Amino acid sequence: DAGVIQSPRHEVTEMGQEVTLRCKPISGHNSLFWYRQTMMRGLELLIYFNNNVPIDDSGMPEDRFSAKMPNASFSTLKIQPSEPRDSAVYFCASSLQGLNQPQHFGDGTRLSIL
Amino acid sequence: QKEVEQNSGPLSVPEGAIASLNCTYSDRGSQSFFWYRQYSGKSPELIMFIYSNGDKEDGRFTAQLNKASQYVSLLIRDSQPSDSATYLCAVKTSGGYQKVTFGTGTKLQVIP
Repeated sequence: DAGVIQSPRHEVTEMGQEVTLRCKPISGHNSLFWYRQTMMRGLELLIYFNNNVPIDDSGMPEDRFSAKMPNASFSTLKIQPSEPRDSAVYFCASSLQGLNQPQHFGDGTRLSIL
Repeated sequence: QKEVEQNSGPLSVPEGAIASLNCTYSDRGSQSFFWYRQYSGKSPELIMFIYSNGDKEDGRFTAQLNKASQYVSLLIRDSQPSDSATYLCAVKTSGGYQKVTFGTGTKLQVIP
């Protein structure tokens, strides 16, 4: 069975550019999570969707970050404008339903902002 | 106090030994507990989850939960060099504002 699919795997871009990260959750999973991981801060939850509706976006750093889930099989995380401090690995994860179920992670997008 | 605390390690154990990884949490009402393994440069991979007090075994792995003392442990029996990785503890809190918080992880090194 296909796991969580993220694209791109790597992204290098210049400061000020728009960055769009994409995620396809596991089929049948109703919850989707976006995380950011850095050495300094570890794994941080950015936003969590349940049945395509954002439930908790308290981890979104600032207005430069936005996330959408237009349907059950696709989500995007957008950074505009990007800054060097946004450099990190961004993971998407999905679970069957909510926070009590285990989350399954995609391979991540390694983002470098120059 | 951090919501989820883990010793960063590294924890070094010889091959074949039992590795014991510990995690403490601050929210007494926490309900669900997860252990993930993360190899360097890879994504977190679910190893086990536990909801009730006591032990849960899966192959060489045993999760132990003690809600009264607010800790959850992961034991790895017959440790192998391939078990060398960072182990992340995640806890789902209770109450009106529910979330899953990850610890910063414990790095395990299994020495051949």
